Amino acid sequence: DTAVSQTPKYLVTQMGNDKSIKCEQNLGHDTMYWYKQDSKKFLKIMFSYNNKELIINETVPNRFSPKSPDKAHLNLHINSLELGDSAVYFCASRHSSNAGLAKNIQYFGAGTRLSVL
Amino acid sequence: QKEVEQDPGPLSVPEGAIVSLNCTYSNSAFQYFMWYRQYSRKGPELLMYTYSSGNKEDGRFTAQVDKSSKYISLFIRDSQPSDSATYLCAMINYGQNFVFGPGTRLSVLP
Repeated sequence: DTAVSQTPKYLVTQMGNDKSIKCEQNLGHDTMYWYKQDSKKFLKIMFSYNNKELIINETVPNRFSPKSPDKAHLNLHINSLELGDSAVYFCASRHSSNAGLAKNIQYFGAGTRLSVL
Repeated sequence: QKEVEQDPGPLSVPEGAIVSLNCTYSNSAFQYFMWYRQYSRKGPELLMYTYSSGNKEDGRFTAQVDKSSKYISLFIRDSQPSDSATYLCAMINYGQNFVFGPGTRLSVLP
């Protein structure tokens, strides 16, 4: 049973389209993240949600909007897709309420490979 | 200067070799240090984590942290072809978010 699952795994679309990526975690975590990994494998955080509140928002274009219907889900909606949006997008989660080191461990989904043509 | 620096490789070693992977960082407030392994077309998976300076061993893997030098290492003994992956260091300050290194691509040749 997958702990952090993302759909779709692959997404090929044309410039200007709007698309969504979904993420669900069954670990009971209260914090979820979206990361973008570029072709050089650099993993950059985009958003973080804790208890349905956006707690960080790195300098990403406002075409990207995270939506969290509940603490088990964090979806990513992208408007007006651009060529530079092509990357692998990873969802991750962790339990920020646990004491000690364990609360800092993030668990990642398998990624969504987005190609914008 | 980037917050976390890591040699991107690629690093190629023969099977059975000892591998040393390293990261340096600039923020002395980092308290927790992790190593993630990422296979091709997969998400990163946690390999090891540690809090303090010193060594932590888990099977063939040893994580080493030197806070005074702002330097962390991951050693892999008796490396196997199945260890071929990208290894990302990650670190965090209490209450803050993760900062990942860019990853080192490792190939262990049979």
